[in-house]
Amino acid sequence: EAQVTQNPRYLITVTGKKLTVTCSQNMNHEYMSWYRQDPGLGLRQIYYSMNVEVTDKGDVPEGYKVSRKEKRNFPLILESPSPNQTSLYFCASSLGGSQPGELFFGEGSRLTVL
Amino acid sequence: TQLLEQSPQFLSIQEGENLTVYCNSSSVFSSLQWYRQEPGEGPVLLVTVVTGGEVKKLKRLTFQFGDARKDSSLHITAAQPGDTGLYLCAPKKGNNRKLIWGLGTSLAVNP
Repeated sequence: EAQVTQNPRYLITVTGKKLTVTCSQNMNHEYMSWYRQDPGLGLRQIYYSMNVEVTDKGDVPEGYKVSRKEKRNFPLILESPSPNQTSLYFCASSLGGSQPGELFFGEGSRLTVL
Repeated sequence: TQLLEQSPQFLSIQEGENLTVYCNSSSVFSSLQWYRQEPGEGPVLLVTVVTGGEVKKLKRLTFQFGDARKDSSLHITAAQPGDTGLYLCAPKKGNNRKLIWGLGTSLAVNP
């Protein structure tokens, strides 16, 4: 089954404790992206990757890091989480290329930073 | 600056009713996608429209891209409880791959 898998789905942590949210896709997609979704602000892009070893900042990259060492994986790293990073996070992937493509989303990771 | 406006923000209707939700902007878009997000899940693509004036149908859902490619509408006929969710429009400008996300219309269809 074609899917984007995120882990963990739910996490409660404390300020400053480094964490990683993993994302893996099994569709051989070139493009991957991380979003956060907050009430009243909608979906905002954090980072994206056009291909392996190629990553770029989205609209709200501060406080986050990413890496793309393999095509299928795109982990999101919070080196020192703060309460304002409490949010619902989505990883998404698409085939790539210049034409508008379908974004496939994971089920989301709800993060609470105390 | 909010480039995109979706209306209404919230909509609660009875099963069997018809409804239309809107996605408006002053910008011209190269294409526009509609996604539906159900509670506890990620958004799922419903349709992509590319040509001004284009109309696409997906069962009881009818999507239209404005002639000037600045706006779009989604019409649902005889809504069902399974249509409940957050409807998001996501257009693109020019050759930029990046999607612009609206805040969505939250639809509740009551049995």
